[in-house]
Amino acid sequence: EAEVAQSPRYKITEKSQAVAFWCDPISGHATLYWYRQILGQGPELLVQFQDESVVDDSQLPKDRFSAERLKGVDSTLKIQPAELGDSAMYLCASRVAGVADTQYFGPGTRLTVL
Amino acid sequence: DQQVKQNSPSLSVQEGRISILNCDYTNSMFDYFLWYKKYPAEGPTFLISISSIKDKNEDGRFTVFLNKSAKHLSLHIVPSQPGDSAVYFCAASAGAGNMLTFGGGTRLMVKP
Repeated sequence: EAEVAQSPRYKITEKSQAVAFWCDPISGHATLYWYRQILGQGPELLVQFQDESVVDDSQLPKDRFSAERLKGVDSTLKIQPAELGDSAMYLCASRVAGVADTQYFGPGTRLTVL
Repeated sequence: DQQVKQNSPSLSVQEGRISILNCDYTNSMFDYFLWYKKYPAEGPTFLISISSIKDKNEDGRFTVFLNKSAKHLSLHIVPSQPGDSAVYFCAASAGAGNMLTFGGGTRLMVKP
């Protein structure tokens, strides 16, 4: 069964360092999402891509966060510099364009900022 | 402003009984609703969904009910099994392909 792949699964970094997360969506899924989940809360959207284009990044803290999907397949989310409040689970999801709204999630990257 | 709310942070049920998880929403533009199950240190796993044109959708032990007038949906699990113990999130979207808005989750514990 096809799955969304994410790496690394866990990342520990110090405040002010740069971190990057990678996501490979299910093959053929044109829409890709990055969500952030703080412990005890539901996931919240950071950025949405349709192929290589950003559709919605209104909730992305652009002073420190950036996201790209250069070839419309895999995607990278970067934080520079990391802050203590960035500690969370970062989830990637994908969806087949034109079909039902079901988004399929990867296993996530657990970020801890010290 | 929480547009999707799960007012019960936890629920404990005996194995074999019915589990009912509830979710309320405020945005009348939401037209697609989903339930996800999440284990610790894993991503959410899709369980079941329902479009606003329906009021019920069933898949095996899982049934989702939608009451549009009350802006309320519920997930029924019958019979509940210990392996169902997890955090359950309801989510909603307004328009095809748009972002999902999640509730805060309900932790279900099914006791043997």
